[in-house]
Amino acid sequence: GDSVTQMEGPVTLSEEAFLTINCTYTATGYPSLFWYVQYPGEGLQLLLKATKADDKGSNKGFEATYRKETTSFHLEKGSVQVSDSAVYFCALRGAKTSYDKVIFGPGTSLSVIP
Amino acid sequence: DGGITQSPKYLFRKEGQNVTLSCEQNLNHDAMYWYRQDPGQGLRLIYYSQIVNDFQKGDIAEGYSVSREKKESFPLTVTSAQKNPTAFYLCASSIGTSGIADTQYFGPGTRLTVL
Repeated sequence: GDSVTQMEGPVTLSEEAFLTINCTYTATGYPSLFWYVQYPGEGLQLLLKATKADDKGSNKGFEATYRKETTSFHLEKGSVQVSDSAVYFCALRGAKTSYDKVIFGPGTSLSVIP
Repeated sequence: DGGITQSPKYLFRKEGQNVTLSCEQNLNHDAMYWYRQDPGQGLRLIYYSQIVNDFQKGDIAEGYSVSREKKESFPLTVTSAQKNPTAFYLCASSIGTSGIADTQYFGPGTRLTVL
C-alpha cells in the first residue's frame, strides 16, 4: 500500500541555518504530495503542496519539489528562524483513492535555537 | 472567519465512561475526518465522512463511533471499548471532490486523558 517515510528527528539547528527534511514515498500512479506543520499544542496547517511531477510547492520561505524519479518530496528552507520550531509532516494523497484519504509520515520535530 | 472548531481543548475521562468530542466547521465542506495522534507518531485515521448521513471506518475505528447528521458537525464518541484512549484527537475537513488534490483543514485538537 501507499506509504510515506521521513527522516527521524529531532532536528536541532541554529538560527539562519539551512534546513532539509527528507521525505520519500511509495505509491502507485501519481499521488499528490503535501507538507503540513504542527506548532506545539495546535492542529496541523498546510505548508505547501505539489500535484504533479516536477511541481515545486513553496510558502513562507519553505520549498519542496515533487521528484517522480526518486519518489521524493524533500522540504528545504534557506534560513530558519526560531519561529519555525515545530513538527513537520510529509503526506500523500493516492492517485487512485475514491475519497480524500491522506497518508501521513511520522513527523519530524525541528528545534531552532537562537 | 471560516474554520474548524473542536471542543473541549482538554478532556478527562474515567475508565468505563463514554465521552464525546465536538467538531464543527463553517467552511461548507462535504468531507470530514477524525484522526488520532500519539506522541512521536503520525496521524491515524479513525473515521471519515464524505457526505451527510454517511461515514466510513478508517484504520483504527474500534472503540469509536461517529455521526454525521449535519454538514457542519461530525462528533466523535470514544467508548469504554477503546482500551487506550489517551491521545490527541484532530478533526479535519476538505471540499471532498474525489480526484482533486484536496487540502485538508485541521481543527486545534482535543487532548483526551484517561484517569
